[in-house]
Amino acid sequence: SAVISQKPSRDICQRGTSLTIQCQVDSQVTMMFWYRQQPGQSLTLIATANQGSEATYESGFVIDKFPISRPNLTFSTLTVSNMSPEDSSIYLCSARPGPETQYFGPGTRLLVL
Amino acid sequence: GDSVTQMEGPVTLSEEAFLTINCTYTATGYPSLFWYVQYPGEGLQLLLKATKADDKGSNKGFEATYRKETTSFHLEKGSVQVSDSAVYFCALMNSGGYQKVTFGIGTKLQVIP
Repeated sequence: SAVISQKPSRDICQRGTSLTIQCQVDSQVTMMFWYRQQPGQSLTLIATANQGSEATYESGFVIDKFPISRPNLTFSTLTVSNMSPEDSSIYLCSARPGPETQYFGPGTRLLVL
Repeated sequence: GDSVTQMEGPVTLSEEAFLTINCTYTATGYPSLFWYVQYPGEGLQLLLKATKADDKGSNKGFEATYRKETTSFHLEKGSVQVSDSAVYFCALMNSGGYQKVTFGIGTKLQVIP
């Protein structure tokens, strides 16, 4: 298994600002992911965080808006840039420590005013 | 593409009632199937999984059987408790090289005393 922590757990931000979310896994993992969960909705994959290279973004998500870093096999950050109220969501970090097994962090609850 | 369809909630049950949450899927190849649970204010927790046809996943009194012939993975519990109140997500991981996880919309379960 994998234990995943995220910081901050929640934040309230003003529009136009940026927030960086940190994700720490308690073991080395090959694959890490970032998801968004909008209020009352399911999870949408934002991107796969690749160690040592640029993240792979899903359709509808771009690097300028959601830059991602993955400096090593246990840590990643997601930045939500130039925020608007539509960015208010829960952002979830996820890791895949082995085949057919994926774990999630507790999420970061973001409210943009 | 891959998709997961699960019954919309909310589902309201009395304590000790029998629970079924239906889940069907569309995927190419032979996906792995999962149920995740999200308790209020928390992230997703892996509840159970099954990786091949006829496998039964089980955990905490919940169980689900991978039915390839009906492309289903229904979640069941014989006697629910108030503490089971949460949102339940059915998900699949495709068997291709990318192994993307696709989630259903989530089913909210409320158990009343």
